[in-house]
Amino acid sequence: DTEVTQTPKHLVMGMTNKKSLKCEQHMGHRAMYWYKQKAKKPPELMFVYSYEKLSINESVPSRFSPECPNSSLLNLHLHALQPEDSALYLCASSQDTGWTDTQYFGPGTRLTVL
Amino acid sequence: QKEVEQDPGPLSVPEGAIVSLNCTYSNSAFQYFMWYRQYSRKGPELLMYTYSSGNKEDGRFTAQVDKSSKYISLFIRDSQPSDSATYLCAMRLGGSEKLVFGKGMKLTVNP
Repeated sequence: DTEVTQTPKHLVMGMTNKKSLKCEQHMGHRAMYWYKQKAKKPPELMFVYSYEKLSINESVPSRFSPECPNSSLLNLHLHALQPEDSALYLCASSQDTGWTDTQYFGPGTRLTVL
Repeated sequence: QKEVEQDPGPLSVPEGAIVSLNCTYSNSAFQYFMWYRQYSRKGPELLMYTYSSGNKEDGRFTAQVDKSSKYISLFIRDSQPSDSATYLCAMRLGGSEKLVFGKGMKLTVNP
């Protein structure tokens, strides 16, 4: 089973709201990722967690705050977003961050910021 | 020059055609190569992965890597309307978590 689940599927929020995106995997993977994808563009890496520790932050604005409560769960907390943050937010996981590792993506959360 | 170049298309073919999708790259240190398929409004789905030059086959799909030319390809035989999607190439440096994606090629297979 190579399933990564994400909730919610769709989210509409105002610029003053606080919301969270959730991601879950039960494949025993120890690395989890957040990507942002704008329309007709490839995914852009935002954060990487390896063994529940943040290992990469691709200079993402602080209005995006990741959290990894345990090895199966990854959250992305959102606060004071801008309309240009509207995008598909993808979670991915992989066995590890090693040499031959492959990443499996979830279906994404489509976020609209009004 | 971008690290990974992929013609974004779109590409439209009749059902049953052989489809060839290609990416070139500039960084010879890339070691690991993937093809993802992404249906509209869905997450990318891993189709093929390889880390050596040569061909790898899986059903109707063949991934080809030519490290000397820094060129990778995905061939789809007997294409079906259900193959209509955006195909993204991606690659990684050895030991790096970061995937570098091509722009993605939008493919439509017409019945």
